[in-house]
Amino acid sequence: DTGVSQDPRHKITKRGQNVTFRCDPISEHNRLYWYRQTLGQGPEFLTYFQNEAQLEKSRLLSDRFSAERPKGSFSTLEIQRTEQGDSAMYLCASSLDRQYSPLHFGNGTRLTVT
Amino acid sequence: AQKITQTQPGMFVQEKEAVTLDCTYDTSDQSYGLFWYKQPSSGEMIFLIYQGSYDEQNATEGRYSLNFQKARKSANLVISASQLGDSAMYFCAMVGGGFKTIFGAGTRLFVKA
Repeated sequence: DTGVSQDPRHKITKRGQNVTFRCDPISEHNRLYWYRQTLGQGPEFLTYFQNEAQLEKSRLLSDRFSAERPKGSFSTLEIQRTEQGDSAMYLCASSLDRQYSPLHFGNGTRLTVT
Repeated sequence: AQKITQTQPGMFVQEKEAVTLDCTYDTSDQSYGLFWYKQPSSGEMIFLIYQGSYDEQNATEGRYSLNFQKARKSANLVISASQLGDSAMYFCAMVGGGFKTIFGAGTRLFVKA
């Protein structure tokens, strides 16, 4: 069990640029989640995958945000035309395909939009 | 809609003493799960303890216990014998009928030597 891995750890980008983050979940975990966390707040749900199927998306996820999980393994989160308000920590988590299975989080990708 | 409320932005506790972190929740689901996570300054969220809504016994994991009062819709975390390494943000979370885990705003715990 190598844990959930996220890349990059930090990303600084200029407003208007596109960015893409990667998450590698724990290999036995079918469920994968993306959350966004701003300073002093709890994580906010963005989207959820069961295997390769994206089953739920938050209204927070505007049309500038897109997430994929091809082949049900790693996932990518892309933000197009970044805005300063997108600056946050983006957390990926995975869990077993079992009701009320706890989330296992990666270390996150900190995005700064200048 | 589901909601988690943590009313203590910050808490101080003396090393080796016990501390209770408050959490109340709101849900219309009959079946749900309650969780506590710890987030040290390094940033990684760490799962601590789980309580199911139908569990009759309060959950315990080492120095962590969850004081579950279903009628009051509260799920307080009790940390016994606090250690300096317990200084961190603590988040209460819930999963209801869906797959989405929602989190409270968190409580920052400071353990004093």
